Amino acid sequence: NAGVMQNPRHLVRRRGQEARLRCSPMKGHSHVYWYRQLPEEGLKFMVYLQKENIIDESGMPKERFSAEFPKEGPSILRIQQVVRGDSAAYFCASSQTGGTYNSPLHFGNGTRLTVT
Amino acid sequence: GQNIDQPTEMTATEGAIVQINCTYQTSGFNGLFWYQQHAGEAPTFLSYNVLDGLEEKGRFSSFLSRSKGYSYLLLKELQMKDSASYLCAVIKAGGADGLTFGKGTHLIIQP
Repeated sequence: NAGVMQNPRHLVRRRGQEARLRCSPMKGHSHVYWYRQLPEEGLKFMVYLQKENIIDESGMPKERFSAEFPKEGPSILRIQQVVRGDSAAYFCASSQTGGTYNSPLHFGNGTRLTVT
Repeated sequence: GQNIDQPTEMTATEGAIVQINCTYQTSGFNGLFWYQQHAGEAPTFLSYNVLDGLEEKGRFSSFLSRSKGYSYLLLKELQMKDSASYLCAVIKAGGADGLTFGKGTHLIIQP
């Protein structure tokens, strides 16, 4: 029973390039959340998606960042024209039902993005 | 908005007991979670409290007081592998936007 799968585990990009982070939720989970974690900082909510729908993107920067969760395939977090400040660990989590109060989030191992 | 406070770092001795506190202020409340995160790894779910009182699960217990906006995680019979960050997270009423996390408490276990 595979958990939440994220890839790549590590990603290095030069300033101005694009970063694509992928997340496959746990089997049977249709709710996906993306979080960003900076060193010595807590996990910051970015976006919540269900299949083909963005439910809440209030934590995501308005420019350069986008997320999708298509009907088929993994959820993708896309960062265009990366800058050094985008360097962080990006965690994906999934849950069986929305609202998380009756369905804890299960996290992937994260993608560590380094912008040089 | 939401504000979650927990100590940055704590040190405890192997075999002992440690209590990690978390206070929160939120516009709505629908539950509090504790997660454990080892360096470089995914956070893993430890406990969930929605009603006042103590939830016990093996060596770990979590307590909630909604009127005080306060929770603690109690770890007993500490083991070296318990060295990790412990994250307090709140879900507000409605809950559609996931969890709001504190910065985490880095727990160091000494022999």
